[in-house]
Amino acid sequence: KAGVTQTPRYLIKTRGQQVTLSCSPISGHRSVSWYQQTPGQGLQFLFEYFSETQRNKGNFPGRFSGRQFSNSRSEMNVSTLELGDSALYLCASSLGLAGGRSTDTQYFGPGTRLTVL
Amino acid sequence: AQSVTQLDSQVPVFEEAPVELRCNYSSSVSVYLFWYVQYPNQGLQLLLKYLSGSTLVESINGFEAEFNKSQTSFHLRKPSVHISDTAEYFCAVSLPYNQGGKLIFGQGTELSVKP
Repeated sequence: KAGVTQTPRYLIKTRGQQVTLSCSPISGHRSVSWYQQTPGQGLQFLFEYFSETQRNKGNFPGRFSGRQFSNSRSEMNVSTLELGDSALYLCASSLGLAGGRSTDTQYFGPGTRLTVL
Repeated sequence: AQSVTQLDSQVPVFEEAPVELRCNYSSSVSVYLFWYVQYPNQGLQLLLKYLSGSTLVESINGFEAEFNKSQTSFHLRKPSVHISDTAEYFCAVSLPYNQGGKLIFGQGTELSVKP
């Protein structure tokens, strides 16, 4: 099976711009989660989508948003970019068991490195 | 709230020596435990996980971790490291989806294996 893919791998933007990152999960996986990784804050959870619905959300401002399509592919959007948004953005997919049981394992993509100038 | 503490930010070790990367967690509910490894300029790769059952879990490349409920620890060990094990290692806990469903990570331990 192909792994989680993320595009683009590298991105350079300037302050105030917006950006869209894409994630294709492992075939058959219905849950997609997004994480931000920075040297200062480490790995932080952004949000999780399951069956096109945001199921869980981390503590990030509303400038960070996402969506999931019917084929489980997901996009993450950041509007009005700030210097502090420079980070590695990681997407992870899992089977996404419903009903509150979390025996899923999350598999990560290679990440998109966003640099904001 | 849940939290994960990795007690060492950097661990230098010589090749073929044993290593232990320490991880403690705090949670008022049952969690699942994971170790992920990140090589330079790459994403996270799952190393091993504890969901239930035997408290000792092993990976295919010689790492093992033991879940200790009384000490709330999930330390990672390898009896003999290789240069290729040089990477950053992250310990994480997972909440049930009805309580957030997210991975909570420690700050990472940078393992540096020297010849």
